[in-house]
Amino acid sequence: GIQVEQSPPDLILQEGANSTLRCNFSDSVNNLQWFHQNPWGQLINLFYIPSGTKQNGRLSATTVATERYSLLYISSSQTTDSGVYFCAGLNNAGNMLTFGGGTRLMVKP
Amino acid sequence: DAGVIQSPRHEVTEMGQEVTLRCKPISGHNSLFWYRQTMMRGLELLIYFNNNVPIDDSGMPEDRFSAKMPNASFSTLKIQPSEPRDSAVYFCASSFSPGKFFGPGTRLTVL
Repeated sequence: GIQVEQSPPDLILQEGANSTLRCNFSDSVNNLQWFHQNPWGQLINLFYIPSGTKQNGRLSATTVATERYSLLYISSSQTTDSGVYFCAGLNNAGNMLTFGGGTRLMVKP
Repeated sequence: DAGVIQSPRHEVTEMGQEVTLRCKPISGHNSLFWYRQTMMRGLELLIYFNNNVPIDDSGMPEDRFSAKMPNASFSTLKIQPSEPRDSAVYFCASSFSPGKFFGPGTRLTVL
């Protein structure tokens, strides 16, 4: 089945710091998506990124599909970045999303 | 677009009561998914529909859970009777192409 693993599981940053979150996924994962779950529980799409690099403001993501990993970069972190970051892999049929365990981020002022 | 809409946002009920969660997907999306999130098990897929037809309900935990999608703009997830271990956040998501959009979730507490 699909395997999605994230690291680190927990991360504490000082406001303004940069960070990199990693997601490893198995061969059966076709595409990758990054989500942010804010402290209020809302799940927000960040990137749909099967390969290559995308940027959105202070966030960017890179997926190297041939090496089965994706990275999420957060630059100049802010307290509002706190929450849990999930990556999720889509199966080859494109209809089942498997989530990793998440990285719980806390940004301190 | 208003995004995926779920109601209610919060539900507190007593064990044994029937609970109905509602979802309105994004207009034009042809797939709809119900997920459950708990501290112990993380995010789990319960069931998904394609063109209003249930495709895979293997994630539905028990017969107490049922889901329907009578039309392209509405789906329900029903728990009858509810139990305290059903307490969780239930997310609905919709998609048209790869890349899912999640609703705000319904936080269910069963006392």
